[in-house]
Amino acid sequence: QQQVKQSPQSLIVQKGGIPIINCAYENTAFDYFPWYQQFPGKGPALLIAIRPDVSEKKEGRFTISFNKSAKQFSLHIMDSQPGDSATYFCAASHSGNTGKLIFGQGTTLQVKP
Amino acid sequence: DGGITQSPKYLFRKEGQNVTLSCEQNLNHDAMYWYRQDPGQGLRLIYYSQIVNDFQKGDIAEGYSVSREKKESFPLTVTSAQKNPTAFYLCASRGPSGRTGNEQFFGPGTRLTVL
Repeated sequence: QQQVKQSPQSLIVQKGGIPIINCAYENTAFDYFPWYQQFPGKGPALLIAIRPDVSEKKEGRFTISFNKSAKQFSLHIMDSQPGDSATYFCAASHSGNTGKLIFGQGTTLQVKP
Repeated sequence: DGGITQSPKYLFRKEGQNVTLSCEQNLNHDAMYWYRQDPGQGLRLIYYSQIVNDFQKGDIAEGYSVSREKKESFPLTVTSAQKNPTAFYLCASRGPSGRTGNEQFFGPGTRLTVL
């Protein structure tokens, strides 16, 4: 019940395309859903995060769509660029002072010029 | 210049040796975390600490130990009992829930290789 399942494992799109990465969870107590971006040899960096009281959140070219009833959330990257090539992780946690994040397995995105 | 630093960037260990990975933060965060990352897998929690002088085991604590004597520092020791220690190790910290939610800030990582 603590798992977060992420798909696909890898993704290749052309420049300007809209890659979509999906995540699903089981624990209905989760109330914080961040996405992290990681470049090779670097630590992950927070990209965008959403709480279940909204169904969509946009920050620049990045959008999270959230479906509470289906227990799914996804990341869309508009007008993707070669510089977006990285590994993306979804995660989930629930309110509480531990702040433990449960991570998905990661998606390696390649944006071709 | 606030942030999280980890050292060394690369570490080589002989079998049977204990090694200690450093993690320091100047963000004044109470909570700190250690994760292990293996190729094709997500981040797995090793240990976490919510306050000085207190820490809890994560999902894969066997073969690891930590200490939290100072708020700024959360070193991780990889002991000889860890059967497969070659991995990328990431340290993170988290501020008070009221301001930044559950956002965790990550350091640059240490790549440990067993020779």
